[in-house]
Amino acid sequence: GAVVSQHPSWVICKSGTSVKIECRSLDFQATTMFWYRQFPKQSLMLMATSNEGSKATYEQGVEKDKFLINHASLTLSTLTVTSAHPEDSSFYICSARGSHTFGSGTRLTVV
Amino acid sequence: AQSVSQHNHHVILSEAASLELGCNYSYGGTVNLFWYVQYPGQHLQLLLKYFSGDPLVKGIKGFEAEFIKSKFSFNLRKPSVQWSDTAEYFCAVNARRMTTDSWGKLQFGAGTQVVVTP
Repeated sequence: GAVVSQHPSWVICKSGTSVKIECRSLDFQATTMFWYRQFPKQSLMLMATSNEGSKATYEQGVEKDKFLINHASLTLSTLTVTSAHPEDSSFYICSARGSHTFGSGTRLTVV
Repeated sequence: AQSVSQHNHHVILSEAASLELGCNYSYGGTVNLFWYVQYPGQHLQLLLKYFSGDPLVKGIKGFEAEFIKSKFSFNLRKPSVQWSDTAEYFCAVNARRMTTDSWGKLQFGAGTQVVVTP
């Protein structure tokens, strides 16, 4: 139980374009989901907390206008990286409150 | 400030050797403690977790961890490692001060890269 699914698993995009990443809770309802970023050889850093039906809470230093989060249903949260740049290339991972498991991650490469 | 410290950044050992990875945290209140493993090119997998009860927790793949409250530690151990245990290991903690509070965000240690040689 408590499976979190993430899609896509990898994406390559051109600089200046936007990319949407989906995080779904498959067998439970998640009112709160978390988005993390992991740079190569580094630990996970929490970017934001996604709350169903309300605004996301962003960690210090994370631009809310660049990383748009939408949590429109109890099973889906999306992270949109807007106007992506090469420095946004990273591994993005989601989790859901109470599940203690993580999505399989999305490897974003901006060229 | 709340923090999670993993003492070793890199560990290299031979197959059949014993492994112990240190994790210390600085949180007040009640804590939940986790160890995750990330195999090369893969996503995070939960190895084990401690919420309450027996401070010696057994996880998957032969791993165990011991919560020592007085030392604010949650060290991970495996008596005999295999080559397939080569991975990065992350300790993570969340906490709350009072039972009426929500659990805080999950904070990760910097990770320990473990390389097991044949």
